[in-house]
Amino acid sequence: SQKIEQNSEALNIQEGKTATLTCNYTNYSPAYLQWYRQDPGRGPVFLLLIRENEKEKRKERLKVTFDTTLKQSLFHITASQPADSATYLCALDHSGGGADGLTFGKGTHLIIQP
Amino acid sequence: DAGITQSPRHKVTETGTPVTLRCHQTENHRYMYWYRQDPGHGLRLIHYSYGVKDTDKGEVSDGYSVSRSKTEDFLLTLESATSSQTSVYFCAISAKDRASYEQYFGPGTRLTVT
Repeated sequence: SQKIEQNSEALNIQEGKTATLTCNYTNYSPAYLQWYRQDPGRGPVFLLLIRENEKEKRKERLKVTFDTTLKQSLFHITASQPADSATYLCALDHSGGGADGLTFGKGTHLIIQP
Repeated sequence: DAGITQSPRHKVTETGTPVTLRCHQTENHRYMYWYRQDPGHGLRLIHYSYGVKDTDKGEVSDGYSVSRSKTEDFLLTLESATSSQTSVYFCAISAKDRASYEQYFGPGTRLTVT
């Protein structure tokens, strides 16, 4: 069956360091992989989308890599700040374009300590 | 929240009663989704819609029905609520026809079935 795995434990990072989150998947051939941020009591917020033919995508302090051979995506936050503390969700589309919904990982809780 | 509202935001209901949750968007987006989020499971797709009167089932559709009579409204109905349907429900929209596949989420509805 299809499965998405993210670090289930909280990730504690010192302010200013780079935080790296992992998303692994099995039995998928996604056309897209997406990362979302979720704060307590709120809905997820889209951060980045990377296509299967892209190796890397950047947006400000965020960087995402996508290795379809390893079936893995890495999400990096450089120069991390306490405001980056949140739960980060990895999501895969069911078909090209995500029209019929996304499958989400359970998320990694990131804590940036001052 | 990208022009998405959900109502009610909180609801407590008794087992066996019908419940309808409403999602309203002002973005005129074609695709709308209902997810539920539970500890240990992450976000799971219940139903989705790809146009007015066009809907389909997601991963956890049993016990739920949906309707979309207007582009802006997507209703989720629990015909006879059960305690296992206690959850936080999120509505989302995406605009596939704009060649962008990210999803935008509403603020969520916290439903408690006693």
